[in-house]
Amino acid sequence: EAAVTQSPRNKVAVTGGKVTLSCNQTNNHNNMYWYRQDTGHGLRLIHYSYGAGSTEKGDIPDGYKASRPSQENFSLILELATPSQTSVYFCASGWTGDSDYTFGSGTRLLVI
Amino acid sequence: GDSVTQTEGLVTLTEGLPVMLNCTYQTIYSNPFLFWYVQHLNESPRLLLKSFTDNKRTEHQGFHATLHKSSSSFHLQKSSAQLSDSALYYCALSDNTNTGKLTFGDGTVLTVKP
Repeated sequence: EAAVTQSPRNKVAVTGGKVTLSCNQTNNHNNMYWYRQDTGHGLRLIHYSYGAGSTEKGDIPDGYKASRPSQENFSLILELATPSQTSVYFCASGWTGDSDYTFGSGTRLLVI
Repeated sequence: GDSVTQTEGLVTLTEGLPVMLNCTYQTIYSNPFLFWYVQHLNESPRLLLKSFTDNKRTEHQGFHATLHKSSSSFHLQKSSAQLSDSALYYCALSDNTNTGKLTFGDGTVLTVKP
């Protein structure tokens, strides 16, 4: 069954540390996305990708990097984690504008 | 840029009463796609329904919505709320380009009480 798998499911990081969130999809979708979810702000787009080797900035990219080494994998990297990056992060995959997303199960990140 | 407005952050209803969650949007694109996603507690968002056709009612799982481009609205409705409808609902907009980017509203928490 096609799916989007995120790891880890939960992560505690220290301020200033490096955090990598991973996402793998078996949908063969071209596009992948990283969103963060915060109460009162909904889902906000951090980075996205059109395909292997491409990454684009979303609406709130500051403090985050992304990497798309293959069609299946899309990582979100926090080089210097800060407490303001404590959130739930969702990865999603999809086709173009008329299609819906398949979301992963989310990663709950706590930066202390 | 694109934006989606959901005016109610929290809606509390009694079971059996009708549901209406508001959604309006702003975009420069003439043919946007509008979506409603639902997220139950400790789950990920999943698609509830979507539309790109002006003035056409779209239905799924007892919910319905009609895209009205004249008023830039895509309100979600259901005739009779059930306890299982309690969830977080997001309205979202796609500019229908190759990016497939979705712009989400802030979400509405629907709580249905017995």
